[in-house]
Amino acid sequence: GQQLNQSPQSMFIQEGEDVSMNCTSSSIFNTWLWYKQDPGEGPVLLIALYKAGELTSNGRLTAQFGITRKDSFLNISASIPSDVGIYFCAGPIYNFNKFYFGSGTKLNVKP
Amino acid sequence: NAGVTQTPKFQVLKTGQSMTLQCAQDMNHNSMYWYRQDPGMGLRLIYYSASEGTTDKGEVPNGYNVSRLNKREFSLRLESAAPSQTSVYFCASSEDLLFGLDWEKLFFGSGTQLSVL
Repeated sequence: GQQLNQSPQSMFIQEGEDVSMNCTSSSIFNTWLWYKQDPGEGPVLLIALYKAGELTSNGRLTAQFGITRKDSFLNISASIPSDVGIYFCAGPIYNFNKFYFGSGTKLNVKP
Repeated sequence: NAGVTQTPKFQVLKTGQSMTLQCAQDMNHNSMYWYRQDPGMGLRLIYYSASEGTTDKGEVPNGYNVSRLNKREFSLRLESAAPSQTSVYFCASSEDLLFGLDWEKLFFGSGTQLSVL
């Protein structure tokens, strides 16, 4: 099946630090999605990207759609304790019925 | 505003037992999905239903069956549970896959943690 490779797998950072994570694929995507999963909950959509090179922000979060359409990046600025959770990249390919998810980046923030 | 509701929240089964996970959404969405989440594996699609009356296999359908009972409800059945099915199960829904304005927005339930001993 399709593989989305996310890195890093986990991060331990201090409150106030900036965070970067990325997602790569061997296939081209036309849409990149970033979800966040709080502990004990289902994932929630943070940002959707539709165009190669696009840079989109949602508060302290900024995501970019890579020019090659095979990667995407998510940055979180000035992290706070409620940023703790698992961040997933996701994308549909030729078949819109299937959203492929990366394995996730687990973020831990020390107050 | 309930969104996507899953029951039960936790379940322990013995190998060979059967059970049904229930899911209901109140957002009038046409498309519904079942995913499983395993450590280090992300979310993998088990089955999906593009509209009432239709269901299709996802990436990992073996050992599962589904029923789209009506537009609101989409259930997942394990006929003979196996330890490999120990996982967290998520139901999700979205607008029309091809025609909805927000098709990419999957709304997830809070999950069912299933252990098969």
